[in-house]
This record gives sequence, structure tokens and C-alpha cells, in this order.
Amino acid sequence: QQQVKQSPQSLIVQKGGISIINCAYENTAFDYFPWYQQFPGKGPALLIAIRPDVSEKKEGRFTISFNKSAKQFSLHIMDSQPGDSATYFCAARAGANNLFFGTGTRLTVIP
Amino acid sequence: DSGVTQTPKHLITATGQRVTLRCSPRSGDLSVYWYQQSLDQGLQFLIQYYNGEERAKGNILERFSAQQFPDLHSELNLSSLELGDSALYFCASSPIGSSSYEQYFGPGTRLTVT
Repeated sequence: QQQVKQSPQSLIVQKGGISIINCAYENTAFDYFPWYQQFPGKGPALLIAIRPDVSEKKEGRFTISFNKSAKQFSLHIMDSQPGDSATYFCAARAGANNLFFGTGTRLTVIP
Repeated sequence: DSGVTQTPKHLITATGQRVTLRCSPRSGDLSVYWYQQSLDQGLQFLIQYYNGEERAKGNILERFSAQQFPDLHSELNLSSLELGDSALYFCASSPIGSSSYEQYFGPGTRLTVT
């Protein structure tokens, strides 16, 4: 059973556009929601993270929006660039710091 | 470069065999996590060790086992391999304190079972 559901599976965006990836969860015990970025042939790397007591966090062109009541959170990439083309994973942290990952979104930014 | 190293990069073996994957965490990190990444399942948490002791278990099969040694490196042992075990296996480490939020991933080991 997938504890974190992620959509879409793939996304194609024009350069300069906004990329939006959505995730949903059920377990209210999750206390930390990171996003990881993975380039081909590499391991995932932490991109940005949010705690459930915050509704939005912005770092550069990347923003997480968090809706605690709906148990949903999303990643927005503003002014998307070809270098942003990668697979993005949302995740949720349970006790002992183990993460439950979504199934990933393959983002392609077209020049 | 995350500072986490994994060996080997690639491994090709036959069904029924046993393999060992090795991970060295970042200097000073006490926690090590193992994940399996397959095309249809995404990243699945397998197991966590903290300073040599098992801390949490995820979807790890009984045919799989892991350990963390006194020098903090970790090994993931996969036995009686099946075709479905073909996947990327990632190791991650996190800073001191098992409550740390960040995990740093290694480059992975690609296992192919034929």
C-alpha cells in the first residue's frame, strides 16, 4: 500500500512555465515532508522540505504548499528550466526518520 | 557528491544466488538507511540502522538482511535472488541524532538478476 500518493507520473513543461507536482497522504503521524530531486544515474538529493505546521515554504524557484486539513502537499517550480528536468519524489517522515516516498514524477522542461 | 559511497555500482547475478551490497555513510553520520528503487514501486524503505543497531524495518523481505559495523559502514545481503529483485538499491545516511530530517543518498547499486 502506497502511503504517499504522487501525481502526475510524468510532466512536460515549457521553459519559463510553472511545474506543479501533487502528493497526498493519510497517516497523520507523518511529521516532515521533504521533496527529493533525482537526476539519471544519481541518487535522490534533498531539494526542499516542510513541517505540517507551516502552510508554505519557498526556496528560490521552488515552493512547497501544504494543506494539513486535506492531507495534501505540492511542489511548485516557478520559471522552470531545462536543468530542472529530473524525477521528483515527495516523501513523508514517520518515526525513526524513515521516509515513505511517492512513486515519482518525471519532469521534462522543453527549451 | 553526497559523501555516501556504495559498491559495487553494477552487479549481475543469477537467480538463486546471494550478493552483498556495501555502503559507507558520510563522515560522522550514525544512521544508515537502505532503499530499493524499482520502476513500478518507486523508492521503498527497507531498513534503518543507527550506530550499529537496527532502528526501523520497512518492506524488507526475509531473504534480505543488513548490518552496520563498528566503523559505521553497512552491508545489505540479498539471498535466494529472484528476477523481481532486480532494482536499484540505495543507501542513505543522516547526521548525528536519529531525529535528523535530512538523508543523503549514495549513487546506488544496480542489481540485475538473470
